[in-house]
Parts: sequence; structure tokens; C-alpha cells
Amino acid sequence: ETGVTQSPTHLIKTRGQQVTLRCSSQSGHNTVSWYQQALGQGPQFIFQYYREEENGRGNFPPRFSGLQFPNYSSELNVNALELDDSALYLCASSSPSNRVITDTQYFGPGTRLTVL
Amino acid sequence: TQLLEQSPQFLSIQEGENLTVYCNSSSVFSSLQWYRQEPGEGPVLLVTVVTGGEVKKLKRLTFQFGDARKDSSLHITAAQPGDTGLYLCAGAYGTASKLTFGTGTRLQVTL
Repeated sequence: ETGVTQSPTHLIKTRGQQVTLRCSSQSGHNTVSWYQQALGQGPQFIFQYYREEENGRGNFPPRFSGLQFPNYSSELNVNALELDDSALYLCASSSPSNRVITDTQYFGPGTRLTVL
Repeated sequence: TQLLEQSPQFLSIQEGENLTVYCNSSSVFSSLQWYRQEPGEGPVLLVTVVTGGEVKKLKRLTFQFGDARKDSSLHITAAQPGDTGLYLCAGAYGTASKLTFGTGTRLQVTL
């Protein structure tokens, strides 16, 4: 069973450019969540995809968009990059159940994005 | 805006010492999770607490959920260098896996 993988590991872009980050979910997981972690802070929820549909969004502008594919892998796209977008972008996969407690999320290693 | 405040932000202790990390919020959560994150890696789940007043133990780590389900603490007994890392608490509403993370506590344990 493979874990959550993300690509690329590191990325450097300039202000105004666009970027696409990729995430492969853990085998059997149909839900992918994306988080932004600025340096020295905790991750902030961007959005979640469940069976190819957006299933909740955090307080991020529309230039942050995403996709989920039939194999449940996912992409995070950011347009018109700003300096403040520099951060570690984490994806996490899970498989919702009917349990009372929150489903366990498995995080990938992240993509470190630097915007110059 | 971080709804979960953690304290302290940084902690540098020697091997063998005990420590407690706090996670406080004005919101009530259905469950609260604790993660540890090491450099270059994503957060790894340590524990989930659900019931107000619940206490869970994981070897030398003790986790407590406040009675009102607004706060939590993590206590480490006899810290070891392998405990070094960023400790994050995260709250969830219902079964939703959209987590609200705390500000983080960076722990360094030296020999």
C-alpha cells in the first residue's frame, strides 16, 4: 500500500505566474484535502475534494482552484501568484466512514513553493 | 485566522524532562487531534480525542480533552531527542475531515 505522494518537492515561481501542484492519494481513499502551511505556522485548510466534487472550501480566494480525477488523485492550481503564496502545500487523503469521530487523514510530504 | 492557540510556541528542554503543551480555543469541537510534524514531512496523527474530559495515553505521551471540548493538552514524560518536532493540535466539526489547525509548538529535546 503506497502512501500519499506529492509533486514536485520544491518549486520556485515569480509573482504573477501560475502553478499546478499534484497529489496522489493513498490507495482506497476517495477524499483529498489541501492545506497551506506558511513558515512557522500551522496548516490552513484550502479545500477538499470528494469523488471529484469540491466538498468544502476555506478562506482562500478563487485564484486557488482544484481538481480531482477518477483515480482520486488531485491537483491544486494557483493563478496570479503573490509573494504571500510562498508556503508548504500539503495534501491529505482519507476515506469517509459513518463513524462518529473524524476520519484519519494521511498527509503527504508537501510541496515547498517559493514565489519571488 | 488561527482559531486554535497553542502555547508555548517554542520549547527547548533536556532529555528526561517533562513538558506540557496547551491548545486553546473559543470554539467547541466535535473532536480534536494531535499531530507531530518533522522537517520535510507532512503531519502524522498521534491521537484523536472525542469526549469531554477524555484522557488518552500513548507510551510517554498523555493527551487530555477539556470538559467543554474547547481545549486540550499534551503532556510528555521523560522527553527524548526523538520527540523533537512540531506538535500541532487540530479541531474538527462532526465527521468532517476539514481540520482547523493550531499555531503549533516547536519542541527541541537535547542530550
